[in-house]
Amino acid sequence: EAQVTQNPRYLITVTGKKLTVTCSQNMNHEYMSWYRQDPGLGLRQIYYSMNVEVTDKGDVPEGYKVSRKEKRNFPLILESPSPNQTSLYFCASSPTSGRMDTQYFGPGTRLTVL
Amino acid sequence: AQKITQTQPGMFVQEKEAVTLDCTYDTSDQSYGLFWYKQPSSGEMIFLIYQGSYDEQNATEGRYSLNFQKARKSANLVISASQLGDSAMYFCAMREGQFDTNAGKSTFGDGTTLTVKP
Repeated sequence: EAQVTQNPRYLITVTGKKLTVTCSQNMNHEYMSWYRQDPGLGLRQIYYSMNVEVTDKGDVPEGYKVSRKEKRNFPLILESPSPNQTSLYFCASSPTSGRMDTQYFGPGTRLTVL
Repeated sequence: AQKITQTQPGMFVQEKEAVTLDCTYDTSDQSYGLFWYKQPSSGEMIFLIYQGSYDEQNATEGRYSLNFQKARKSANLVISASQLGDSAMYFCAMREGQFDTNAGKSTFGDGTTLTVKP
């Protein structure tokens, strides 16, 4: 089944404890992206990758890191999480970054930072 | 910079009636795509419909249609014959061409929560 998977689905952690949210897609998509969703603010783009080893900042990159060492995986790293990073996170992928390509979303990761 | 505006935080519609969800956008590029996604209370993001900036016809997908007015920079979603299962949050989104200034960037509106009344 074609899908985007994220792990973990739920995570409660404490301020400053490094964490990684994994994202993997099995559709051989070139493009992958991370978003955060907060009430009343829609989805905001954190980072995106147009291909392997190519990553770029979205609108809210502060406090996050990403890497794209292989096509299928695009992990999101929070080196020192803070309470303002409590949010619902989505990973998404699409065949390319083209304007016609719809994005396929993972199920989301709900992160709480205490 | 890209911007998507959804001015209706919440909407109500009676079952079996049609409803229009508003979306206006701002971009300086000529080549872009507009998308609508549905997010039910379970949280997943579901793609509904796509409209390209060069498409002359309004997009339709089953009960969903997109009222695209390029000069006004609006891309309103029309849901006909509303069903209880249509109750969800709806997001309008935009992507620009892969060779354009904002290639790779994707912008979403704040969303509209639709409630269908029986």
